[in-house]
Amino acid sequence: GDSVTQMEGPVTLSEEAFLTINCTYTATGYPSLFWYVQYPGEGLQLLLKATKADDKGSNKGFEATYRKETTSFHLEKGSVQVSDSAVYFCALSGTGFQKLVFGTGTRLLVSP
Amino acid sequence: GEEVAQTPKHLVRGEGQKAKLYCAPIKGHSYVFWYQQVLKNEFKFLISFQNENVFDETGMPKERFSAKCLPNSPCSLEIQATKLEDSAVYFCASSPQSSSGNTIYFGEGSWLTVV
Repeated sequence: GDSVTQMEGPVTLSEEAFLTINCTYTATGYPSLFWYVQYPGEGLQLLLKATKADDKGSNKGFEATYRKETTSFHLEKGSVQVSDSAVYFCALSGTGFQKLVFGTGTRLLVSP
Repeated sequence: GEEVAQTPKHLVRGEGQKAKLYCAPIKGHSYVFWYQQVLKNEFKFLISFQNENVFDETGMPKERFSAKCLPNSPCSLEIQATKLEDSAVYFCASSPQSSSGNTIYFGEGSWLTVV
């Protein structure tokens, strides 16, 4: 079945450092890919998405490119802030199916 | 409304008691989803609805879990005879359409503690 693999955390960075959180997926057909963020004590918020190969999703300085050849959707940000501290979830929605399949989440801790 | 509204935010039940959680999807959204998040952050899909009809129930533990989405009422997720392992945050989500690329919007979750 469909699955998503994320790098294990926590990822600990200093403010203004470069962030990469790796995400790879296994799916049949042409899934859509998502990054969701969960701040402490809150629900999931959509951060960005890409619905076809080579699409780049971007929001709030975060970017991720849908790479079909490497089945990846790595999340990047050029300069993180303390307020970016949260858990980040990579997810996919398979062809014809609405259900989201999540990775296990990566906790990001940013210190001043 | 403009957001997925879940109640209660916190619920404590003794083992063997019933727990019932509610969800009001975003107005105009036809699809409702329930997910269970356990302590290690894993999200487990439980069930989805298209309006009042079950769309996908492959994740539901059928022995004790049930869910409904009735017209003009909040959707509900009910757990009969709760067990310690049911302690988790239960998220409801909604979406306007069924195609793969549509965004699914999540509520803030209901935290169930079984003691």
